[in-house]
Amino acid sequence: SQQGEEDPQALSIQEGENATMNCSYKTSINNLQWYRQNSGRGLVHLILIRSNEREKHSGRLRVTLDTSKKSSSLLITASRAADTASYFCATDAGSGGSNYKLTFGKGTLLTVNP
Amino acid sequence: EAGVVQSPRYKIIEKKQPVAFWCNPISGHNTLYWYRQNLGQGPELLIRYENEEAVDDSQLPKDRFSAERLKGVDSTLKIQPAELGDSAVYLCASSFWGRDNEQFFGPGTRLTVL
Repeated sequence: SQQGEEDPQALSIQEGENATMNCSYKTSINNLQWYRQNSGRGLVHLILIRSNEREKHSGRLRVTLDTSKKSSSLLITASRAADTASYFCATDAGSGGSNYKLTFGKGTLLTVNP
Repeated sequence: EAGVVQSPRYKIIEKKQPVAFWCNPISGHNTLYWYRQNLGQGPELLIRYENEEAVDDSQLPKDRFSAERLKGVDSTLKIQPAELGDSAVYLCASSFWGRDNEQFFGPGTRLTVL
């Protein structure tokens, strides 16, 4: 079963515009991670935000987390054609220690047009 | 630094045939994961190893799937016999032990069962 659900399922923008993707989840989490997957390739880790954090930045990426709404957003600023990929949120809702597991959503397909 | 290596990249077999996938994680990563990714979906965990111990195999269909990680380094995932519904991309990932650590994914093996 998949806990995280990304929204929208697909997003098409022009180069230079900002892209925002949202993720909603159902249960309490320890952390939430965003991954990128280019067509036919493996996933690449982008950023991790812990449950006690509200916002995090990494280069052109900004992630927010609202645990009261059980939601997160990923903002990519000044998008480039190379940002075209599928973006997945993954939640860690384990009880602690070695009991953890990442549960991925279905992803948002982002297309950045030159 | 070499990434996670998987082989083969592609495999086409007929149903009821056996198939095996191999993964070599990043050197020093004691945690290894096998995921299955169906078309249009996010990865779903099949099994997680801490060194050579399978600590989470709750999602592994044990009637036909098996995995091993001898010596706590590389790993093999086997399906016998394969069914049509097993067609998917099988991803291997590795990380340092513990939550809050990003997972590094291999390119995956695309399995087609005819």
